[in-house]
Amino acid sequence: SQTIHQWPATLVQPVGSPLSLECTVEGTSNPNLYWYRQAAGRGLQLLFYSVGIGQISSEVPQNLSASRPQDRQFILSSKKLLLSDSGFYLCAWSGGGRETQYFGPGTRLLVL
Amino acid sequence: QKEVEQDPGPLSVPEGAIVSLNCTYSNSAFQYFMWYRQYSRKGPELLMYTYSSGNKEDGRFTAQVDKSSKYISLFIRDSQPSDSATYLCAMSSGGSYIPTFGRGTSLIVHP
Repeated sequence: SQTIHQWPATLVQPVGSPLSLECTVEGTSNPNLYWYRQAAGRGLQLLFYSVGIGQISSEVPQNLSASRPQDRQFILSSKKLLLSDSGFYLCAWSGGGRETQYFGPGTRLLVL
Repeated sequence: QKEVEQDPGPLSVPEGAIVSLNCTYSNSAFQYFMWYRQYSRKGPELLMYTYSSGNKEDGRFTAQVDKSSKYISLFIRDSQPSDSATYLCAMSSGGSYIPTFGRGTSLIVHP
């Protein structure tokens, strides 16, 4: 069966510091991968998605970037965090020709 | 008008009640419809997945799609306090890789 991992679970970072969040998927190959941000009381905001290694599409111009160095690894990064980057970050995957997405446990980021 | 509309709630019901959660949408190309359950501080979990119109049942959960009205519903029978969560609807047109999500409805089932 497929499993999706995200780490860390919680992160507190000062403004201006760098960020690296990692997501890995097990049990499938060539998945589509996604990064979402979910702010309190708001819906899911799609940040990036990837249909293959090195292929990244950005939905929202911002302070963040994403990379996919391996088939089942997706990384969300920032060089300098802003207060507005605080939120709940979710990684998801889809594949097998199906439209359904499966989410990881999320990373709660607080920028102070 | 947003593509997918979902009342944020909260919806508060007594244990054992039948719950109806709904979403409306504007894009007639949507063919795939999903419901997710999200507990506080957790990632969304896929509950139901349906294609095109009709009903689908899984235990206490029934998903219903009415494409003519652009309206989807999730019914929960015999609701339990453990059903307390936020329920998100999602839908896609197929081949786009990216579903459109509703904002979610907060459900509270009190004993």
